[in-house]
Amino acid sequence: EDQVTQSPEALRLQEGESSSLNCSYTVSGLRGLFWYRQDPGKGPEFLFTLYSAGEEKEKERLKATLTKKESFLHITAPKPEDSATYLCAVHEYGNKLVFGAGTILRVKS
Amino acid sequence: KAGVTQTPRYLIKTRGQQVTLSCSPISGHRSVSWYQQTPGQGLQFLFEYFSETQRNKGNFPGRFSGRQFSNSRSEMNVSTLELGDSALYLCASSLDAGGDEQYFGPGTRLTVT
Repeated sequence: EDQVTQSPEALRLQEGESSSLNCSYTVSGLRGLFWYRQDPGKGPEFLFTLYSAGEEKEKERLKATLTKKESFLHITAPKPEDSATYLCAVHEYGNKLVFGAGTILRVKS
Repeated sequence: KAGVTQTPRYLIKTRGQQVTLSCSPISGHRSVSWYQQTPGQGLQFLFEYFSETQRNKGNFPGRFSGRQFSNSRSEMNVSTLELGDSALYLCASSLDAGGDEQYFGPGTRLTVT
């Protein structure tokens, strides 16, 4: 069964054009939801952990939010260097980390 | 603080052979998890080790195995390689078992011919 679904699969933005990436999940007991950034040929880089609905975290141009069914990664005024694949992962109590397929973001100058 | 290191970075093997990949976690991290990443299946969990014990296992055949040493370094082994085993194998470390923040290494790119 699909526990983590990310949308869109790919997103093209102009530099400065803000947007959001979505991660919807279905787990019975959420221990944590994680966002990672992955550049081509490299391992994922940890960005955020969210634990409970209503929680928000920010880092530079990125802001992650969490509800009971989904998380959003908001990108404000993106730059070309924000281009990467953004991965969402869900950690269910007593279970392993399950990753979504990712959203490929391309920011053009 | 040094990050997670993985060796080798690239590997080419023939069907039927076996391979061993190595991972050194961040100093002080006691948990190591392994993942397989392919274009079609994305990132899939293989197993997690903590204090030299396998704590959790994904849905992979028994040809995939691993171990962890007393210094937290970990190895994974794939026996009787198949073409479908070609992938990027990623290792991630965290402070404790089921660790919330996992830090990934650069991966080992395995190509099976």
